[in-house]
Amino acid sequence: ETGVTQTPRHLVMGMTNKKSLKCEQHLGHNAMYWYKQSAKKPLELMFVYSLEERVENNSVPSRFSPECPNSSHLFLHLHTLQPEDSALYLCASSPRGGADGYTFGSGTRLTVV
Amino acid sequence: RKEVEQDPGPFNVPEGATVAFNCTYSNSASQSFFWYRQDCRKEPKLLMSVYSSGNEDGRFTAQLNRASQYISLLIRDSKLSDSATYLCVVTAPNNYQLIWGAGTKLIIKP
Repeated sequence: ETGVTQTPRHLVMGMTNKKSLKCEQHLGHNAMYWYKQSAKKPLELMFVYSLEERVENNSVPSRFSPECPNSSHLFLHLHTLQPEDSALYLCASSPRGGADGYTFGSGTRLTVV
Repeated sequence: RKEVEQDPGPFNVPEGATVAFNCTYSNSASQSFFWYRQDCRKEPKLLMSVYSSGNEDGRFTAQLNRASQYISLLIRDSKLSDSATYLCVVTAPNNYQLIWGAGTKLIIKP
């Protein structure tokens, strides 16, 4: 499979649950990103990993915890989320961590109940 | 002031018409500029980069005005399949991160 793959596509979780989002890229890219997209708002950058090191953490609450075990895989671990965390979570990758060549996954639509 | 501002629309346009939308950005140090397209409930996809001299890709023309800090997208002979949200994107001054507009929704009607 090519491109950026995200699972699951849809997730409904309670506020006390723990779940993880998974992202996998087969493009040989060195940088991976997590974005949050809420309705009628711009994409918000959450985390950036370049060569498996976290290089950016945009004041994201600790209930979101990223993990990048290798350059092809990225996880977002979720625990004790709030209803306002309901959104589309998008994973992206790029060749060198710059502006060019972004490829997005299809996203996980998360609903917190 | 928002870092990247776009008219949210929706722009309702008849098929075959020409439509244009603009975007303004706040940081004069931004170096790269893009238009992305996002279909309903799908991920964003790169439509085209925007160059200082202006560039064209088929029915799409992008322009950049650095002095006024705005970017435009023109779509000629619009198709039903052009219906989507168009996202204006600029790079942060470090040229590393992308700063996204909230998007302009376009609806092409038969």
